[in-house]
Parts: sequence; structure tokens; C-alpha cells
Amino acid sequence: AQSVSQHNHHVILSEAASLELGCNYSYGGTVNLFWYVQYPGQHLQLLLKYFSGDPLVKGIKGFEAEFIKSKFSFNLRKPSVQWSDTAEYFCAVTGGSARQLTFGSGTQLTVLP
Amino acid sequence: GAGVSQSPSNKVTEKGKDVELRCDPISGHTALYWYRQSLGQGLEFLIYFQGNSAPDKSGLPSDRFSAERTGGSVSTLTIQRTQQEDSAVYLCASSLKPEGTQYFGPGTRLLVL
Repeated sequence: AQSVSQHNHHVILSEAASLELGCNYSYGGTVNLFWYVQYPGQHLQLLLKYFSGDPLVKGIKGFEAEFIKSKFSFNLRKPSVQWSDTAEYFCAVTGGSARQLTFGSGTQLTVLP
Repeated sequence: GAGVSQSPSNKVTEKGKDVELRCDPISGHTALYWYRQSLGQGLEFLIYFQGNSAPDKSGLPSDRFSAERTGGSVSTLTIQRTQQEDSAVYLCASSLKPEGTQYFGPGTRLLVL
């Protein structure tokens, strides 16, 4: 069975600070990796995804993530956060014959103006 | 184009009553998923439909939960004899193909009193 760990439960940053949110998964086979974001009062939206190819993927709003297969990681980064990035961020994975997403527990990001 | 829609947006019910939650996927999407988001359990997979294949029910927490998808489009999640622990946000997602990106609806917030 797959599992996803997000080690940071709550991150507080000031505007313009750099962001890195950790995500590790456990699954031995080929995986598809996702970051979703949930802004306050809104539904889950896709930030970025990795299926294959270049392990550095770029998403919306200046976010990027790097797939490091040897570390089973897919960390999310942004060089300079904005107050509007305040949201909950979820890492998720699908793998093998499983089509459903397995989510991490989420990281609440608060950006102070 | 139109995204995934869900109804009702909020539902308050009494313990022991049955509830039905509806999901309209994105037109043309063959795969449809139900998830549950609750404070204690995070985001959990419930059930997955793909075309005319038998659904993957492996995430349903008890036999009080069932779902159907009529005509390969609209889906209904039914919870019988609701319990307080069923209180959660029920999310529907759809994807163009089984291994594709899942797009989420706004969810139905269920409160069981």
C-alpha cells in the first residue's frame, strides 16, 4: 500500500520568504505525484504534477517541485511567498494499479503580510 | 468549461437518517472518485468508478455507505443510518482517463447531529 508523509503540519512565513514543503512517499513502483492546494473556503486545486520526464516540474503561481526518486521525495518550493499563498497544501500519489489518490496529512501555510 | 459540481453544498441531518450526495463530473470524464475529508482522518478515498467496469469500493468504511453512477455520468453517494462520525466534507473528483489528473468539486459538508 502507498503512503505519503508531510512532515510540516503548520508553516508560518513572512512575505518574500522562500518556501519548501516536504513530501515523502512509500511505494516501490512507478508513481505519479501531485501537489494540490486548498485556499480558505475554496475547493482543492491542482498546483502541479509529475508523471514522467524532467524531475523538476513547474506549476501555477510560481510553484515548483522536484522528484528525487532515490529519496522517495517530491518537495514543493517557491522562492518568494505572498500573503495570497496562505492555504493548505496536500501532497498526493497514485501508483501501480491504484487509480485513487493517496494524500498526505497536509501542511497549513500561513504567510504574514 | 464547467467543473465538477456537487449538491447539496451543506447538509445537516439527524443521527440515523439516510442521506444522498450528488456529483456531476466534468463532461467526457470517464473516471469518477469519491473522497472524504475530516479533521481526524484527513483526505480518504472512498470509491472509484471507471466507465462500465465494476467500481473499486475498497475505501468504503462500512456497509452503510454505497454509491452508484448512472449512465457513466452523475454519481450518488448514499449513507444509510448516519452516525456522528460520518460528519465530514465529501469530495467528488473526475478525470478524463483513469491515470489522468483528478479535478475536484467543491464538496458537500455533512453534519450529523
